[in-house]
Amino acid sequence: QVQLQESGPGLVRPSQTLSLTCTVSGASLSTGSYYWTWIRQPAGKGLEWIGRIYTSGSTYYNPSLKSRVTISKDTSKNQFSLKLTSVTAADTAVYYCARLPVSDAAFDYWGQGTLVAVSS
Amino acid sequence: QSALTQPASVSGSPGQSITISCTGTTSDVGGFNYVSWYQQYPGRVPRLLIYEVSKRPSGISDRFSGSKSGNTASLTISDLQTEDEADYYCSSYTSSSTWVFGGGTKLTVL
Repeated sequence: QVQLQESGPGLVRPSQTLSLTCTVSGASLSTGSYYWTWIRQPAGKGLEWIGRIYTSGSTYYNPSLKSRVTISKDTSKNQFSLKLTSVTAADTAVYYCARLPVSDAAFDYWGQGTLVAVSS
Repeated sequence: QSALTQPASVSGSPGQSITISCTGTTSDVGGFNYVSWYQQYPGRVPRLLIYEVSKRPSGISDRFSGSKSGNTASLTISDLQTEDEADYYCSSYTSSSTWVFGGGTKLTVL
């Protein structure tokens, strides 16, 4: 059974860097044809795709966030991470990590989500 | 990239059928058969209902079906039940090798 779990600070100061980690169990980040992705959802609003990292390490980001986002992975820990720089209150949201099989192109397994608030 | 367009809300009575639309462009919905649909209850994690326009993952009721015509994809829920009351989101792969979601539709079962 594939499981994903987000972790990281629940509060980030404005202009600082938001850093989250997704720990994966039941699947390997170094094998298989999967995109490992980050998605966020502000309270009461819709889902926003942030970006993804492939097994090979290649990345793609939402154009609206591209200048501030970095996604990386640590295969030794079977984790992938999100860094979002220069955050503002608009970045306050529940952040989800999810798996996306290349063949299906759909988000089939999700983490439980972690709320990150940007506030001074 | 612009979000896909969904109606903000739809409603139906138990036993009826409803359809939720998801409109994009030739660069996303119209250009690829990689449209998926998700169900989300308040405070819960989204759940995959439909992938590749019309395929259902194991365990998803056949009351949920998907289709696409041109730049618009649709999710149909037949034999509506009270537990179907939730938010629904569509998503599509894009020509920029990214993914985009719809704004979400709140389904009310009257």
